[in-house]
Amino acid sequence: SYVLTQSPSVSVAPGQTARIPCGGDNIATKTVQWYQQKPGQAPVLVIYYDSDRPSGIPERFSASNSGHTATLTIGRVEAGDEADYYCHVWDNSNDHHVFGGGTKLTVL
Amino acid sequence: QVQLVESGGGVVERGGSLRLSCTVSGFILRNFGMHWVRQAPGKGLEWVAFLRYDGRDELYADSVKGRFTISRDESNSELFLQMNSLTRDDTGVYYCAREGRGYSNFFEYWGQGALVTVSS
Repeated sequence: SYVLTQSPSVSVAPGQTARIPCGGDNIATKTVQWYQQKPGQAPVLVIYYDSDRPSGIPERFSASNSGHTATLTIGRVEAGDEADYYCHVWDNSNDHHVFGGGTKLTVL
Repeated sequence: QVQLVESGGGVVERGGSLRLSCTVSGFILRNFGMHWVRQAPGKGLEWVAFLRYDGRDELYADSVKGRFTISRDESNSELFLQMNSLTRDDTGVYYCAREGRGYSNFFEYWGQGALVTVSS
């Protein structure tokens, strides 16, 4: 089955740029989504189809997908961005949805 | 305004059954694929089940296949997850989620979740 690998944690100072990678075998051949989850809350879609933003998501959130790594980038990080971030793909080889293990973003 | 509200969570003994409901508003169930996603305490997200927009296809994670069944009642705008032969590994928060428009394969809207606790 397809596996997505995320680093457990990323730390960044306010105002800086956070980059959260998601690794998968030839992940560039799949479309990647990103979800933000704050403590005690449901996940929120922040990126779909590799790099599209739903309405209401700030332009500070962007993403890319190439080779074996997809990356969520959060520019001008704010305290309110502190959350767990999950990458997600549809694995059409076995008709399953797959999530990465999640990355906890800490704003220093 | 799209809303999804789960109910039916609770404490159940190992080997028991439970049925979760997800009442939706702001859209019509037959127009969208629907999913259940769960999260064990302190763990990450795990996709559980999918029901195609027309109700003609169901998919399940290997961990629940043969034990869980996803279904819906269009007249009452409800999505269900029937869970049988529950084990401790099924403990967690269960979210219903709606796909985006078309064959989108992503989760655009989520409910607030229902907690299921399987006791020994």
